[in-house]
Amino acid sequence: GEEVAQTPKHLVRGEGQKAKLYCAPIKGHSYVFWYQQVLKNEFKFLISFQNENVFDETGMPKERFSAKCLPNSPCSLEIQATKLEDSAVYFCASSQSGGQTGELFFGEGSRLTVL
Amino acid sequence: QQQVKQSPQSLIVQKGGISIINCAYENTAFDYFPWYQQFPGKGPALLIAIRPDVSEKKEGRFTISFNKSAKQFSLHIMDSQPGDSATYFCAASRSNDYKLSFGAGTTVTVRA
Repeated sequence: GEEVAQTPKHLVRGEGQKAKLYCAPIKGHSYVFWYQQVLKNEFKFLISFQNENVFDETGMPKERFSAKCLPNSPCSLEIQATKLEDSAVYFCASSQSGGQTGELFFGEGSRLTVL
Repeated sequence: QQQVKQSPQSLIVQKGGISIINCAYENTAFDYFPWYQQFPGKGPALLIAIRPDVSEKKEGRFTISFNKSAKQFSLHIMDSQPGDSATYFCAASRSNDYKLSFGAGTTVTVRA
């Protein structure tokens, strides 16, 4: 597609439940990034992929967060045993060239509310 | 630890006025400095970007000024319009690391 598609737009989970978010990058883009935005403030980098390979996962809270980008499937970000502090908007972005020489195209985000 | 510091947190400007947003960074390895614009309920979109080999870049009403020695860069929005009301984020990244470090954002309100 011509834009980054994220689903669902909104997700509500009780504390301790699992949450799974999906992202379809722009066709032809080989880099995918996940960012977390809390309270409309700064973006926290979580993880990036080059095709289906993890490129950088330094921002991932590894105990409960996991992510995948498999061929011919939307990328996914999964949170096991959600906590209140996981409430945020999760943005996916894709790039043709990794973001350094070209721009990152962001989706509209998935808002996760943990009650 | 925030690698890019942005100010002010918010600003109000009259239509036709100039909006100025400032950012500072510490990591001298950063060599790509984009600005993103975000409207409520939307994802950020690239507005303009600069590399440290130039001191200024202009695109329409938007200008980035870059001061390498001071490790600072700023966004100027000339002739501000109500449609420019949005949150603006500065960011930085390194050549061998495509990860963007974002500033905390500046909410700009343009009054008609």
